[in-house]
Amino acid sequence: QVQLVESGGGVVQPGRSLTLSCAASGFTFSGYTMHWVRQAPGKGLEWVAVISYDGSNKNYADSVKGRFTISRDSSKNTLYLQMNSLRAEDTAVYYCARDPRLYSSSWYFQHWGQGTLVTVSS
Amino acid sequence: DIQMTQSPSTLSASVGDRVTITCRASQSISSWLAWYQQKPGKAPDLLIYQASSLESGVPSRFSGSGSGTEFTLTISSLQPDDFATYYCQQYNTYGTFGQGTKVEIK
Repeated sequence: QVQLVESGGGVVQPGRSLTLSCAASGFTFSGYTMHWVRQAPGKGLEWVAVISYDGSNKNYADSVKGRFTISRDSSKNTLYLQMNSLRAEDTAVYYCARDPRLYSSSWYFQHWGQGTLVTVSS
Repeated sequence: DIQMTQSPSTLSASVGDRVTITCRASQSISSWLAWYQQKPGKAPDLLIYQASSLESGVPSRFSGSGSGTEFTLTISSLQPDDFATYYCQQYNTYGTFGQGTKVEIK
C-alpha cells in the first residue's frame, strides 16, 4: 500500500535552514507528481510546492517562492523540501502528498504522509 | 489567485442528520474541486474529486455536486465517525483550499 513518511522537522531559529524528507513506498515513485502542503497550528491547509514526476517542472506558493526548493531522488524514492530563510510564519506541520495519476499532474492529493512539525522560534 | 470560501465555518449536528457544506470559488473552476476530511492530529483524507466523484473506499453517504463557482458536500446521514473538519480545494489553477468547516456534535 502507498506509504509516505516525512522526517526532518524540528525547532529552528528564524533565518536558518532546514531540509524535510519524505520517504515513499508501495508505488512507482518516479511516475507520480509530488507536493508539499502545510498547516499552521490551529489553521487551515496551504499548498506549498509541487514537482513533476520526472523533476522537470516545479512550482511554489508565493509565500515560499525564492526561499524553499523542492526536489526528488527517484533512486532513493525520496522527496525533499529545502527551506531557507525561515520565518515564524513558516511554523506548521508539513505534509508530503501524492498526485493521483501516473505520469500526469492533477493537482489534488490522493495520498498523504503523517506530517512533520517545523517550529521557527528563537 | 483563486480564492475559496466555505460556509459555514462551524456546523453543529446530530447523528443521523443530513449535512450540507458549501464552497464558493472566486472565479470559475469548472469541476476541478476536491473535498477532504481531517480529524485532529491526522492528515487529511480525500473524499471527493472532480466535484462529484467518490474516492475509492469512501462511504456512499458522502456526495459532492456543483460546477463553475458553487459546490456542495453532502453527508446524507451523519455518523459518529464523521465529526471532523472538512476542506474544499480547487485544482483548476495550482491548489487553493477553503478555510475549513468543522462539524461538531450538537
